[in-house]
Order: sequence, then structure tokens, then C-alpha cells
Amino acid sequence: DQQVKQNSPSLSVQEGRISILNCDYTNSMFDYFLWYKKYPAEGPTFLISISSIKDKNEDGRFTVFLNKSAKHLSLHIVPSQPGDSAVYFCAASGRSGAGSYQLTFGKGTKLSVIP
Amino acid sequence: EAQVTQNPRYLITVTGKKLTVTCSQNMNHEYMSWYRQDPGLGLRQIYYSMNVEVTDKGDVPEGYKVSRKEKRNFPLILESPSPNQTSLYFCASSLYGESGGYTFGSGTRLTVV
Repeated sequence: DQQVKQNSPSLSVQEGRISILNCDYTNSMFDYFLWYKKYPAEGPTFLISISSIKDKNEDGRFTVFLNKSAKHLSLHIVPSQPGDSAVYFCAASGRSGAGSYQLTFGKGTKLSVIP
Repeated sequence: EAQVTQNPRYLITVTGKKLTVTCSQNMNHEYMSWYRQDPGLGLRQIYYSMNVEVTDKGDVPEGYKVSRKEKRNFPLILESPSPNQTSLYFCASSLYGESGGYTFGSGTRLTVV
């Protein structure tokens, strides 16, 4: 049962335009939501996060929006640059049954920014 | 430099031959975790640890063992590897597990033949 879902395996965007990556989740007990970026042959790198009590967090060109009623979050990249081409993973953090925190990832969306 | 170091980067082994993938972090992080990445399946958690001597199963723990005897090290052990464990493995660490800001290693590409 997948708790974090990224329904778009890939997305192509023109350089300079906005990229919008979407993510849905099923567990209303998640405390934090995060986006990671991954280049080939490298480990994922943390990009931006948002607490479950917020609805927006912005860091430079990256903004994450959280809609708790819809159990949906999105990552906006404005303007998109060719260096943003990577796989983006949505992730959610919540307490496990054992009391520690567990980070659950979606399957990823491959973003291609076309020059 | 703050980092998570995994070794080896690449490994080809035969079915049934025990192996260990090492993971070490120099950031004094409490949380450490192992993930595997497979095409179409994203990153799936194998095991995680919130402190020394405290480990928990993730979503796909079968066929794996871990230990956390020291804060900085979190080795992944495959007692009897099988071909379905061929994958890309990532170790990660975090100071505060609840906020999820993990630092990942560069990955270990494992092939079991």
C-alpha cells in the first residue's frame, strides 16, 4: 500500500517556464513533507521541506505548497533551468509503530528542462 | 566535509555469499537508514535506526540485517544474497528524524548473479 504517490513518471518543461511536480499521500499523520532531487550516479539531495502545520514554504526558485484537506503537495520551480533536469522524489516523515520517525518516498518524477 | 560514506560503490557477487556494505557518517547524526532503489519502484526503506542499539524494520527488510553498535556506523548485511537483491543501495543519516532532512551517500550498485 503506497502511502506517498507521484503519479507522473516524467515531465518536460521549457527553460524559463514553471515546473510543477505533484505528490499525493494517504496518511494524515505525516508530520513533514520533503522534496529530494537526484542526479544519475549520485545520492538524493534534500531540496525543500514543509511542516504539516504550514501551507507554503519558499526557498529561492523553489516553493512547496501543501493542501492538507486534499492530501496533496506540489513543488513549483520558477524559472526552470536546464540544471534542474533530474529525478524529483516526494517524501513524507511520520512516526512508526515503534515510536521512531520513518521517511517514506514516492516513486519519483523525472523532470527534463529543455533549453 | 560533512558526508555519508558508503563502501563499496560497486559490487558483483554470487548467490549465497555473505556480504557487508559499510556506511559511516561524520555528522554525529542520531538517525540512519538504508534504502534500495529499483526501476519503477522508487526508494524503499530497508531498515532504519534512531540511535545506538536501536533499529527498526522498514518496508522491505527481508533478506537483510543491520547493526548500530556505534553512532557513526550502520552496516547493511546480506547473509545469503539472492538475485532479487540486485539493486542500487543508499545509506542516509539525519540529525532530526522527524523533519526528514537526510543526507545520502553516493550509493552502492550491487549485482547478485
